[in-house]
Amino acid sequence: EAGVVQSPRYKIIEKKQPVAFWCNPISGHNTLYWYLQNLGQGPELLIRYENEEAVDDSQLPKDRFSAERLKGVDSTLKIQPAELGDSAVYLCASSLDDSERAFFGQGTRLTVV
Amino acid sequence: KQEVTQIPAALSVPEGENLVLNCSFTDSAIYNLQWFRQDPGKGLTSLLLIQSSQREQTSGRLNASLDKSSGRSTLYIAASQPGDSATYLCAVNSSYKLIFGSGTRLLVRP
Repeated sequence: EAGVVQSPRYKIIEKKQPVAFWCNPISGHNTLYWYLQNLGQGPELLIRYENEEAVDDSQLPKDRFSAERLKGVDSTLKIQPAELGDSAVYLCASSLDDSERAFFGQGTRLTVV
Repeated sequence: KQEVTQIPAALSVPEGENLVLNCSFTDSAIYNLQWFRQDPGKGLTSLLLIQSSQREQTSGRLNASLDKSSGRSTLYIAASQPGDSATYLCAVNSSYKLIFGSGTRLLVRP
């Protein structure tokens, strides 16, 4: 069974530029999460989807961040414009539902210069 | 607001030693608790999940316990090996989202 797939693995951009991350969850997993992880810290939730509906986006900085999960399968997270403080690892995870074990992708390491 | 704390932040032990990692949380209203492993530059690998109604889960050399009333969980690693070196994160499922501790960085010396 394929795991959660994220791309790209690494991204370096200049500040004020846009960037997008893509996630393909495990087949059949209804719940999809985007997390942000700063160095030496645990991941923090940005947004949670149940199928195609964003059910918890309370911690998503909506002035510059946006996300979508069309057709309830893969998802895209976008930042526009990026700031220096956005440098971090962006992790995608999925689970059968929101009470089951979560499986994480390898993450996208973003560096904003 | 749920807060998760992991102690110690770092741990170095000789190979073969049994060890315990600690996790505490402030709000006992959780659905479950998961322990993850993270290798440098990699994503998280789920090790064990304990439902709120359970007291412990075992997988190979790993045993995780949960005391929801006191807000504590422990991860016990038996006969540690150098390959166990990684960061171990606990996460509580609270309000249908995982809230993580900052992790314990484990080094097992050959």
